[in-house]
Amino acid sequence: SAVISQKPSRDICQRGTSLTIQCQVDSQVTMMFWYRQQPGQSLTLIATANQGSEATYESGFVIDKFPISRPNLTFSTLTVSNMSPEDSSIYLCSVGGAYNEQFFGPGTRLTVL
Amino acid sequence: GQQLNQSPQSMFIQEGEDVSMNCTSSSIFNTWLWYKQDPGEGPVLLIALYKAGELTSNGRLTAQFGITRKDSFLNISASIPSDVGIYFCAGQLYGSSNTGKLIFGQGTTLQVKP
Repeated sequence: SAVISQKPSRDICQRGTSLTIQCQVDSQVTMMFWYRQQPGQSLTLIATANQGSEATYESGFVIDKFPISRPNLTFSTLTVSNMSPEDSSIYLCSVGGAYNEQFFGPGTRLTVL
Repeated sequence: GQQLNQSPQSMFIQEGEDVSMNCTSSSIFNTWLWYKQDPGEGPVLLIALYKAGELTSNGRLTAQFGITRKDSFLNISASIPSDVGIYFCAGQLYGSSNTGKLIFGQGTTLQVKP
């Protein structure tokens, strides 16, 4: 499976600011995904990061709030914009495997004050 | 949206006991996956299932893809303290393989008493 890293691993931010999270994979992958995991909850898909085109967002998530870049097949960023305390969550990137499975990065723990 | 109903929500067991958890849905899936998440980490894939009726083991873990394609279970035998964590089922809906998207269950929190 691919080795996935995320930066930062955690951050504490002030409301109204924005944070960009990076996801780096050690091999080229077709599919990359971004998830949110609110405290004590399961994983919710934010969007599919498409290489060279706009991300595909799930219901309830919009580009203005969660802009995503995917400049190549090994890297993607998720920005959490104009943050509020409700955005405090773990943000996870994942990559698709060869057989419908997904492999996850270690996550970014965000606290918004 | 689509949902996976995972149960039980939490379990507190004695070391050495066997554990069973399951996920059910009203929809048909073409893939079932089981993940474990330790505190401060991302989910780690434990077992992947691709065919109805498939039974797959990974050490002390055994999982099955339900015959109806609407459910799956995970068993852990002879639990040990390092089994502590949150277990998630995830499924890929039939007909959605081109999207690669997964739906996750709510998770089962497992605690093991030494």
